Amino acid sequence: SAVISQKPSRDICQRGTSLTIQCQVDSQVTMMFWYRQQPGQSLTLIATANQGSEATYESGFVIDKFPISRPNLTFSTLTVSNMSPEDSSIYLCSIAGGYEQPQHFGDGTRLSIL
Amino acid sequence: DQQVKQNSPSLSVQEGRISILNCDYTNSMFDYFLWYKKYPAEGPTFLISISSIKDKNEDGRFTVFLNKSAKHLSLHIVPSQPGDSAVYFCAASRSNFGNEKLTFGTGTRLTIIP
Repeated sequence: SAVISQKPSRDICQRGTSLTIQCQVDSQVTMMFWYRQQPGQSLTLIATANQGSEATYESGFVIDKFPISRPNLTFSTLTVSNMSPEDSSIYLCSIAGGYEQPQHFGDGTRLSIL
Repeated sequence: DQQVKQNSPSLSVQEGRISILNCDYTNSMFDYFLWYKKYPAEGPTFLISISSIKDKNEDGRFTVFLNKSAKHLSLHIVPSQPGDSAVYFCAASRSNFGNEKLTFGTGTRLTIIP
C-alpha cells in the first residue's frame, strides 16, 4: 500500500497562532481525507480534499478555521488557524481506497496548544 | 450523535485466549464496516472489513461477524498475542467504494496479558 508521510509529527503551539500540517503520499491518489481525534474521542472527519477542487467540509468544520490545499495528486496541507486549547488533538490524513479497499492513514500530527 | 459505538473502553485477555471486541451502530445506511488497530504515536492500521451482504469475514487470526438486524458487529482474535495489545477502532461507511467518509467508534483498548 501507499506510504503516507505527515509533518510535523508533533508540535506545541501558542494560542492564537496557526500551524500547517503536510501530508505527502508516494503515489497519486484522487481523494484525501483529514480527520481529527480529540483526547479520548473517536476520529472525526474534518474535510475531504480532491485535487483541483475546493475541499468539502463536514458539519461543524469551516474553511476559515481549517483551510486545506490540494495542489496535486500526491500532496495536501491542513492549516489549523487561530488555535485555542480546544484544538489540541491528533490530526490525521488518509487516502481513499478502491472498491472494497480501506482508507489508509498517516501517522498523524499530535498538536498541543498552550 | 454517536452513530458508531464501542461500549467497552478497555478489555484485558490472557495470551492464547480469544479476544472479542464489540461495536454497535445506529445508521441503517451503513453498508461497509472496518476494524483498525492503533498503536501509540502511529496512525490507524487497517485490520479487516466486511460488507453488509456478508455475515462473516475471516483473515488469519481475525474474524469479523456482522449482525445487520441487531446493527452489531464483533471482532474475534484467536489466539490473542502480546503484539495485539493496542486500541481497536470500529468504523463504518455508506459504501464499499473506499472513497466514502468513515464514521468511527471511540475505540477499545485491548491488553493481552502474557
